[in-house]
Amino acid sequence: DTEVTQTPKHLVMGMTNKKSLKCEQHMGHRAMYWYKQKAKKPPELMFVYSYEKLSINESVPSRFSPECPNSSLLNLHLHALQPEDSALYLCASSLGQGDYQPQHFGDGTRLSIL
Amino acid sequence: AQSVTQPDIHITVSEGASLELRCNYSYGATPYLFWYVQSPGQGLQLLLKYFSGDTLVQGIKGFEAEFKRSQSSFNLRKPSVHWSDAAEYFCAVRKGNFGNEKLTFGTGTRLTIIP
Repeated sequence: DTEVTQTPKHLVMGMTNKKSLKCEQHMGHRAMYWYKQKAKKPPELMFVYSYEKLSINESVPSRFSPECPNSSLLNLHLHALQPEDSALYLCASSLGQGDYQPQHFGDGTRLSIL
Repeated sequence: AQSVTQPDIHITVSEGASLELRCNYSYGATPYLFWYVQSPGQGLQLLLKYFSGDTLVQGIKGFEAEFKRSQSSFNLRKPSVHWSDAAEYFCAVRKGNFGNEKLTFGTGTRLTIIP
């Protein structure tokens, strides 16, 4: 069972729609991450939040807008996406205390753009 | 730049046989290394991690990995595989510290188990 919860599990949207992906963790982790994973490929980092502040943006297009309202919640707002944005979007979190803490992943949201 | 190479795209093993998945890294300092497993339609589950100390690390589900600095390798092993081990396996190396941490994944190895 994963302790990082992502909703929805599946999302189909048109290119003109606005939708949001949600990620929650209640492990007291202070760093949260968004990854994009295309089929048969490894995950690729998109954003990193540390103590609710954006610390890394891997040159992600502005049609993806992250938000971290509090230490337990991470959102990814989507607008005017392209068909190539269809992928599995994974959220992860890590404790952030010290150097020996791995990232824990959710089960992802499978996004399809029509 | 740091990188991780998984030379085997696909491996097929008989149930009950032993398994070794290869991972080679390129990193200047002592690397922080991980193995994750991904079942179809699911997220990534951490199998084990290496930060320092004992070079043989034990993980969940009966997996272990050995860090060999001389060979820049961190191979994953299991003495006897079960049908439920069929999945995609990713080796990853971490760069940076808290707040600026990046995981770089290898391309993955797909494991098929035959009866």
